Amino acid sequence: NAGVTQTPKFQVLKTGQSMTLQCAQDMNHEYMSWYRQDPGMGLRLIHYSVGAGITDQGEVPNGYNVSRSTTEDFPLRLLSAAPSQTSVYFCASSPYRDVSYEQYFGPGTRLTVT
Amino acid sequence: GENVEQHPSTLSVQEGDSAVIKCTYSDSASNYFPWYKQELGKGPQLIIDIRSNVGEKKDQRIAVTLNKTAKHFSLHITETQPEDSAVYFCAANVPKAAGNKLTFGGGTRVLVKP
Repeated sequence: NAGVTQTPKFQVLKTGQSMTLQCAQDMNHEYMSWYRQDPGMGLRLIHYSVGAGITDQGEVPNGYNVSRSTTEDFPLRLLSAAPSQTSVYFCASSPYRDVSYEQYFGPGTRLTVT
Repeated sequence: GENVEQHPSTLSVQEGDSAVIKCTYSDSASNYFPWYKQELGKGPQLIIDIRSNVGEKKDQRIAVTLNKTAKHFSLHITETQPEDSAVYFCAANVPKAAGNKLTFGGGTRVLVKP
C-alpha cells in the first residue's frame, strides 16, 4: 500500500490564483480530513469527510472547498488564494468509519502565496 | 469548542533521561487522546493513543496517562534516544453526531542530546 499520498509537494501561487491540492489513499478508509499546520499553532482541521458524498467543516474552513466523489480521493480547493493561506497542508485518513481515530497522515504540501 | 493546551513548547533532555509532555483539554465529552510524532519534513505519525475508559497505556518506552477528572493527559518517554528528537503533538477527540473531530495541541519540540 502507498498509504496517503499528496500532490504537489511544493507550490507557489500568486494572490487570487486558484488551485487544487490532491489527496488519495489506497487503504479503503472512510474517514478523511485536511489540516493546515502553521508555526506554533499545531494542526488545525479545515474540512473532513466521513464517507463518499459526505463532507463537513472543521475549525478553519473559510477559503477552502472540498468534495468526496470516491472513497479514495479527497481534493482540497483554494478558489482565490490569499497570503494568509501560506501553510503546510496535510491530508489524513482513518480506518474507522465516521471517526477520527488512528489517522494516517500524508507527507504534506507546502504552499506559499505571494 | 474543544481547546487543547500543551506544555512545554520545547524540551531538551540528555540521552537516557526521561521526557514528559503534558496536555489539558476543555471538553469533558472528549473520548480519545492520541499522540503524534512529527519528524522534520514529514507528516505526523501516530505513536500511541488512549481512550477515555482507560487510565494508562504503555508501549515499550512510551506511555500515556489520562486523568479524566482533571482533564489532562501526559506522554512519558523513558530512556530517551537521539531518534526520539522530533515535534510531538497531543490531540483530543470530541464525539459529534456528524463525525468526530480532533483538536491538536500546539506541539512540543523535543531535543535529545547525546
